[in-house]
Amino acid sequence: AQTVTQSQPEMSVQEAETVTLSCTYDTSESDYYLFWYKQPPSRQMILVIRQEAYKQQNATENRFSVNFQKAAKSFSLKISDSQLGDAAMYFCAYSSYSGGGADGLTFGKGTHLIIQP
Amino acid sequence: DAGITQSPRHKVTETGTPVTLRCHQTENHRYMYWYRQDPGHGLRLIHYSYGVKDTDKGEVSDGYSVSRSKTEDFLLTLESATSSQTSVYFCAISEARGDTQYFGPGTRLTVL
Repeated sequence: AQTVTQSQPEMSVQEAETVTLSCTYDTSESDYYLFWYKQPPSRQMILVIRQEAYKQQNATENRFSVNFQKAAKSFSLKISDSQLGDAAMYFCAYSSYSGGGADGLTFGKGTHLIIQP
Repeated sequence: DAGITQSPRHKVTETGTPVTLRCHQTENHRYMYWYRQDPGHGLRLIHYSYGVKDTDKGEVSDGYSVSRSKTEDFLLTLESATSSQTSVYFCAISEARGDTQYFGPGTRLTVL
């Protein structure tokens, strides 16, 4: 079974600074996706960014980028120019599209990001 | 935003009572999922569906059943609710296996 580990229960950053959230995963499969989701106090799960494992290029979405290290099974999220609206729980998630296991996402336990004004 | 609604949004019930949560989508996506979210656990997969009448179990399926008689609706049933099933329940949809999942707003269920 796949596992996803987020080793930072909580992170704090000053507004306008850069912060990196860590995520590692364990899998024996070669074809998979990795995701970062954001959950603000409203409870809504919002997709931040997605990475296909077969792509060597790291995904970027505006101020959000990832550092995907397939061999190390590492998938960190960098948030540049942090804004107050970035304050939320951030979840790293894994999904496979070729394995024999159950469908669905495997989530880490989350990192609570605090933005200091 | 993907068209996903969940009903009810909040429910309080008593131990031993049957409860059904509904997820409705307007995107015509093939895959639908139910997750539960508990403090310290992130989200965990309960059941999922890969087509009408096609469902399978996830990581934490004990005590839950599901049904999907139409593409747009996916029902989660707690046959006899227990206090351990107090949680926030999320529905999600995706077009293909392993693909990006889009989530509904969640249902907060309290079992007394």
